[in-house]
Amino acid sequence: NAGVMQNPRHLVRRRGQEARLRCSPMKGHSHVYWYRQLPEEGLKFMVYLQKENIIDESGMPKERFSAEFPKEGPSILRIQQVVRGDSAAYFCASSPPPGTGSYNEQFFGPGTRLTVL
Amino acid sequence: AQSVTQPDIHITVSEGASLELRCNYSYGATPYLFWYVQSPGQGLQLLLKYFSGDTLVQGIKGFEAEFKRSQSSFNLRKPSVHWSDAAEYFCAVARGSTLGRLYFGRGTQLTVWP
Repeated sequence: NAGVMQNPRHLVRRRGQEARLRCSPMKGHSHVYWYRQLPEEGLKFMVYLQKENIIDESGMPKERFSAEFPKEGPSILRIQQVVRGDSAAYFCASSPPPGTGSYNEQFFGPGTRLTVL
Repeated sequence: AQSVTQPDIHITVSEGASLELRCNYSYGATPYLFWYVQSPGQGLQLLLKYFSGDTLVQGIKGFEAEFKRSQSSFNLRKPSVHWSDAAEYFCAVARGSTLGRLYFGRGTQLTVWP
């Protein structure tokens, strides 16, 4: 069973461009979480999604950031008009549905390192 | 509001020495507690977790952690450190039985001297 997949692993964007980060959860997992890690800091929660539904977006910046987890395909974290302060590592995690084994454990992907020039 | 404090930003130990990484949390009810390890350029790997029951939890790679409610702590320990344990360690807290967001500490960077 493959783990959580994220791509690209590294992404370079110029200020004002758009960044799209993709996350494919583990097989059978229906919950996806996005976290951001700034240099010298821990991970900060951004958003929690189920398929076609945003459960908790309390950690998402109000502007320029959006996330989706469609019925088919990976979850996407989209950052519009990137600024230098968006440079960070973005991690995706997934968990299985409640009632299944390890439903209360999050499995993390390798991250996407975004650099904004 | 929930918060997690890892008071030690950087710890250096000699190979073979014992290790204790500190974690304190702030949360009104019984939390779900986790320790993750992150190697450079990698994602996070779960070392161990505590939900209920025995307050001494065994994890992978020889790690253990003890939940102390009176001290709001969940310290990570290993009796004998190996050079391959050098990494960054994160303590995290989740609320109750419905897993949602994790609250992370800022991490402790472990350096192991040969």
